[in-house]
Amino acid sequence: GAGVSQSPRYKVAKRGQDVALRCDPISGHVSLFWYQQALGQGPEFLTYFQNEAQLDKSGLPSDRFFAERPEGSVSTLKIQRTQQEDSAVYLCASSLRNRGSAGELFFGEGSRLTVL
Amino acid sequence: AQSVTQLGSHVSVSEGALVLLRCNYSSSVPPYLFWYVQYPNQGLQLLLKYTSAATLVKGINGFEAEFKKSETSFHLTKPSAHMSDAAEYFCAVSDRGSQGNLIFGKGTKLSVKP
Repeated sequence: GAGVSQSPRYKVAKRGQDVALRCDPISGHVSLFWYQQALGQGPEFLTYFQNEAQLDKSGLPSDRFFAERPEGSVSTLKIQRTQQEDSAVYLCASSLRNRGSAGELFFGEGSRLTVL
Repeated sequence: AQSVTQLGSHVSVSEGALVLLRCNYSSSVPPYLFWYVQYPNQGLQLLLKYTSAATLVKGINGFEAEFKKSETSFHLTKPSAHMSDAAEYFCAVSDRGSQGNLIFGKGTKLSVKP
């Protein structure tokens, strides 16, 4: 499809397990963002890539969270040793434009992570 | 730091009634402003955005928003609600010159009664 694709849509993990969430952005989109959306809250910024470079990771809540985009297209968000407070929907968004623009962010449907 | 406040976590209107969802931002310099809609189990979809052209911005599905610098507001309106408008609405802001990261409000859930 032409939109942002995320997988898996749903993930249940036991506390302490590692998880990996995948994002396929729209082809040609330079910018890629990860957000975390807790139940009843707005999305909160996690990290930003411009092509393969991770330019901002200030929103990652701990060193258990790691993101990569090695070839400037697909991105993976990895969470190590999951905790219950990591339960949330993880949203990926991509944008055609670079810094300083008001380009629209296109969002995927999200990956809902539940940590038991 | 930028922030966005959405007044009212839940708004209920009757079908055909006016929809008004409130959003205020904090910034000394007018930022870019956005409204997104999220239907259940779906991603966020852009309704409209303000980037410094006309202060009254028209979006999809009959929605519009007016940027008021003096009130630091960007309220979303629709003259006549439809049942299909029931969803969660998020106001968001980004700094000019920034990487394009959006800062979101906590959202307002809109219910439409028949």
